[in-house]
Amino acid sequence: ETGVTQSPTHLIKTRGQQVTLRCSSQSGHNTVSWYQQALGQGPQFIFQYYREEENGRGNFPPRFSGLQFPNYSSELNVNALELDDSALYLCASSPGTPNYGYTFGSGTRLTVV
Amino acid sequence: DAKTTQPPSMDCAEGRAANLPCNHSTISGNEYVYWYRQIHSQGPQYIIHGLKNNETNEMASLIITEDRKSSTLILPHATLRDTAVYYCIVRVPQAGTALIFGKGTTLSVSS
Repeated sequence: ETGVTQSPTHLIKTRGQQVTLRCSSQSGHNTVSWYQQALGQGPQFIFQYYREEENGRGNFPPRFSGLQFPNYSSELNVNALELDDSALYLCASSPGTPNYGYTFGSGTRLTVV
Repeated sequence: DAKTTQPPSMDCAEGRAANLPCNHSTISGNEYVYWYRQIHSQGPQYIIHGLKNNETNEMASLIITEDRKSSTLILPHATLRDTAVYYCIVRVPQAGTALIFGKGTTLSVSS
């Protein structure tokens, strides 16, 4: 079975620009979560989608938005990029079955200059 | 905010058991204890989870105290490849509940 795939692996953007990050969930997984991980910190929960509906959100401003598609792949969009948005962005998927762990991708390293 | 407390760092000699503690004194009755680890520059990896009984799999053992206020992750024979940040997380195992990470414990295994 394939795991969670994220693209691109690295990205450099300029402050004020917009960025879209993509995630392909593991086969059979209908839940996807996005996390932001700053250097030296633990991952911070951004939001989660279950069957194309957002069903949880962390303490992030509205310029962080997302989508989940019918095939359960997902996008994270960030508008009006700020320097502090520089981080590793992680996607994780789950089959939604209670007790099951999440499978994480390797992340997208975003640098805002 | 994370509901767990872990020591920031620990050292272990290769081949010895690594015992990583976690305090979750406010855990509620329907919350499970999950452990993940993150090797440098990779995504977190699921290790093990449990409710109140001790659990063991091919990677590790999880010991949960009777009052469920703390737990210990045991790597029985640590190798250099076990050097990572280890996160202890409490979570209600419902579809859609997210993982809330704390700062974790950085385990350094040396030869």
